[in-house]
Amino acid sequence: DAKTTQPPSMDCAEGRAANLPCNHSTISGNEYVYWYRQIHSQGPQYIIHGLKNNETNEMASLIITEDRKSSTLILPHATLRDTAVYYCIVRAPWDGTASKLTFGTGTRLQVTL
Amino acid sequence: AAGVIQSPRHLIKEKRETATLKCYPIPRHDTVYWYQQGPGQDPQFLISFYEKMQSDKGSIPDRFSAQQFSDYHSELNMSSLELGDSALYFCASSHVVAGELFFGEGSRLTVL
Repeated sequence: DAKTTQPPSMDCAEGRAANLPCNHSTISGNEYVYWYRQIHSQGPQYIIHGLKNNETNEMASLIITEDRKSSTLILPHATLRDTAVYYCIVRAPWDGTASKLTFGTGTRLQVTL
Repeated sequence: AAGVIQSPRHLIKEKRETATLKCYPIPRHDTVYWYQQGPGQDPQFLISFYEKMQSDKGSIPDRFSAQQFSDYHSELNMSSLELGDSALYFCASSHVVAGELFFGEGSRLTVL
């Protein structure tokens, strides 16, 4: 699986958009970009994933650059409950067997009043 | 909606003892993953099962073993426990075609 690089920490004011960057310059053409977050000691929570098109769901938006070497997770209106470690993960597609997630160091997002 | 159920949530053992963690996946999920997260560390993949067969293996010690049963629940068995085994152990499940992993709340193992 391709390696990802994320800033170790970021701050965001409550109510503002949080933009979390991720570099994955060695991503292969069939690998997906997944985002998970982990609120202190809870199980990681799925946020969103994409291949090459931008994606949006009720939690966030995912913007993937045209060359797919980087992406940005956008939380449009951050709240205190969004304080967590956010993991950007590149994942191989299903090939008939289970495809694990490999967690890197992630970005610790602190949302403040 | 039903989530991944892990038991026990907390477990305290002595060195050299044995521990068993259980994981009940979301209904109709056929794949189970086990992760270990030490204090201040990121989750590390241990092992996965797809349709009751081992699918992938990560940094799982030889002292650990796991299996997935006919009802798709899974158990992680840990023997000869060491202090360094103290960690949060997460189980996740997925329906392979859909792909997203859904994690349980974890089992916290403390080895004294």
